Amino acid sequence: DTAVSQTPKYLVTQMGNDKSIKCEQNLGHDTMYWYKQDSKKFLKIMFSYNNKELIINETVPNRFSPKSPDKAHLNLHINSLELGDSAVYFCASSQEQGRGPTGELFFGEGSRLTVL
Amino acid sequence: AQSVTQLDSHVSVSEGTPVLLRCNYSSSYSPSLFWYVQHPNKGLQLLLKYTSAATLVKGINGFEAEFKKSETSFHLTKPSAHMSDAAEYFCVVSPQWTGGYQKVTFGTGTKLQVIP
Repeated sequence: DTAVSQTPKYLVTQMGNDKSIKCEQNLGHDTMYWYKQDSKKFLKIMFSYNNKELIINETVPNRFSPKSPDKAHLNLHINSLELGDSAVYFCASSQEQGRGPTGELFFGEGSRLTVL
Repeated sequence: AQSVTQLDSHVSVSEGTPVLLRCNYSSSYSPSLFWYVQHPNKGLQLLLKYTSAATLVKGINGFEAEFKKSETSFHLTKPSAHMSDAAEYFCVVSPQWTGGYQKVTFGTGTKLQVIP
């Protein structure tokens, strides 16, 4: 039973289109994240939600909009896709100590987005 | 403030020889430190973690790391490399809870190549 699952695993789309990636965790964690991994494997945090509340919102274009309908789900919608959005997007979850991070993250397998 | 530096972007070893992946950190607070592994086309998986208990930490698949406060290092080692160890490895620092929300910081990754 997969702990953190993301769909779809692959997306190939044209510039200007809109796409969504869904993430679900069955670990009972309070906090979920979206990370972007570029072609050099560098991981950059984009967003984090704690119990459906947005707590991290890095410098990300507002074409990216996260949504957390409940604490087990965190979706990412991207409008007007650009070439530079091509990357692997990882969802992760963690169980925080109070409001502080433990650093122990559980990752999904990633969603590889290719914008043509 | 915190940061983490992985000193080698690429390490190549022969199968059966020792592995050393180097990581230095800086943190304003007592840190928690982690190593994650990412196999090709997979998500990140926790290898081991240090959270202020024993300074020598054992992880999965025969890996271990030693927290050295005086050197601000948390190097990852394994006595004998196996072909299945070929992957990308990330060192991560997280502040232990200070009462406010803090971010987890990822290193830039070290690609381990294992030569038969």
